[in-house]
Amino acid sequence: EADIYQTPRYLVIGTGKKITLECSQTMGHDKMYWYQQDPGMELHLIHYSYGVNSTEKGDLSSESTVSRIRTEHFPLTLESARPSHTSQYLCASSELGQGFEKLFFGSGTQLSVL
Amino acid sequence: SQQGEEDPQALSIQEGENATMNCSYKTSINNLQWYRQNSGRGLVHLILIRSNEREKHSGRLRVTLDTSKKSSSLLITASRAADTASYFCATDFTGFQKLVFGTGTRLLVSP
Repeated sequence: EADIYQTPRYLVIGTGKKITLECSQTMGHDKMYWYQQDPGMELHLIHYSYGVNSTEKGDLSSESTVSRIRTEHFPLTLESARPSHTSQYLCASSELGQGFEKLFFGSGTQLSVL
Repeated sequence: SQQGEEDPQALSIQEGENATMNCSYKTSINNLQWYRQNSGRGLVHLILIRSNEREKHSGRLRVTLDTSKKSSSLLITASRAADTASYFCATDFTGFQKLVFGTGTRLLVSP
């Protein structure tokens, strides 16, 4: 069982609200990631981090921002949510190795913006 | 796109049958991984195969890798209804610094 937690599990909010999706891991992993996934579709990398104070944008352009102040915590923030942000957001972590070792995923946050 | 392409997109079988899904990619890789996702949940890592390996087993799972054809296959033997899920391959492309996920195969195993 992966020790990576995402909250909330489901979130329904109105347009224009600011939201923060939480992600925490207790495995001491340096690498953390945020993926966006629409139902039945592939995963798109939107943000990643190689350690504290390191954040990078992924392949998919996103209006969200992330921070990495502590190793175990990698929150994602949307300043002003829109219906186009409706999607599932998956957080993952992995060890810092030579290549890509296996990812541990959280259960995801299903976001619906009305 | 350097993304892995999987086929079939969907597969429906009966319990006890074997399920085979394939993943093809375009450039050199360091390793290839397979993940499983139950509906509405996160992904779970199944198996990792490195570029210098040809076959790996884990329980009822068998993964092969053919780097000359740039393809991999995942075989699930004696499938069970609980194997119903989406299966994704993910590739660590050489020099690409990212793990890229394929489009997924949706497997339905009927009792």
